[in-house]
Amino acid sequence: NAGVTQTPKFQVLKTGQSMTLQCAQDMNHEYMSWYRQDPGMGLRLIHYSVGAGITDQGEVPNGYNVSRSTTEDFPLRLLSAAPSQTSVYFCASRNRGGDTGELFFGEGSRLTVL
Amino acid sequence: DQQVKQNSPSLSVQEGRISILNCDYTNSMFDYFLWYKKYPAEGPTFLISISSIKDKNEDGRFTVFLNKSAKHLSLHIVPSQPGDSAVYFCAASEEGTYKYIFGTGTRLKVLA
Repeated sequence: NAGVTQTPKFQVLKTGQSMTLQCAQDMNHEYMSWYRQDPGMGLRLIHYSVGAGITDQGEVPNGYNVSRSTTEDFPLRLLSAAPSQTSVYFCASRNRGGDTGELFFGEGSRLTVL
Repeated sequence: DQQVKQNSPSLSVQEGRISILNCDYTNSMFDYFLWYKKYPAEGPTFLISISSIKDKNEDGRFTVFLNKSAKHLSLHIVPSQPGDSAVYFCAASEEGTYKYIFGTGTRLKVLA
């Protein structure tokens, strides 16, 4: 009963390094998204996707790239990490229909950029 | 420009009493509203939602009220329990966009 799986759970990077946060869901959800959580800022939407091959920007997209080649996976890429990207990142997914509009979240990935 | 606002960063309530968490929004195109609960080091978990065609939705101890004219929603927890201590986020989305905007959260502490 995996749901939304994020890897890695913890990562430390140096300024300028690149990395990819992985997100996979096994619920056949069409919609997937990435959020970052910072103190006093809540959850802010970075990028989202409504299906394979379709992505769009959220509230804070700068410095991040995404792609959606399969329904299951939605990786988030940092091409040149900056200290301002130190945060906890959450991936979320939902299906297209449903009664509640519920988003299912992963457990988060804590990233520190030195 | 914050489209979804939770103006109370924290709230303390005695066990057994009612907890009321508030949320305001500015975008009149939002048509679905959700509440999430988050414990430290875990992902947010869904609590309850409400469509803009309703003004109230109940699920056990949790009730969400929506006032569209005031662009305001609230979450009532009755009775409050120590296990309810967490950060609560409200979220909103526009129909068909699948784009969810979250508030900044309210930290609820239920005192035993």
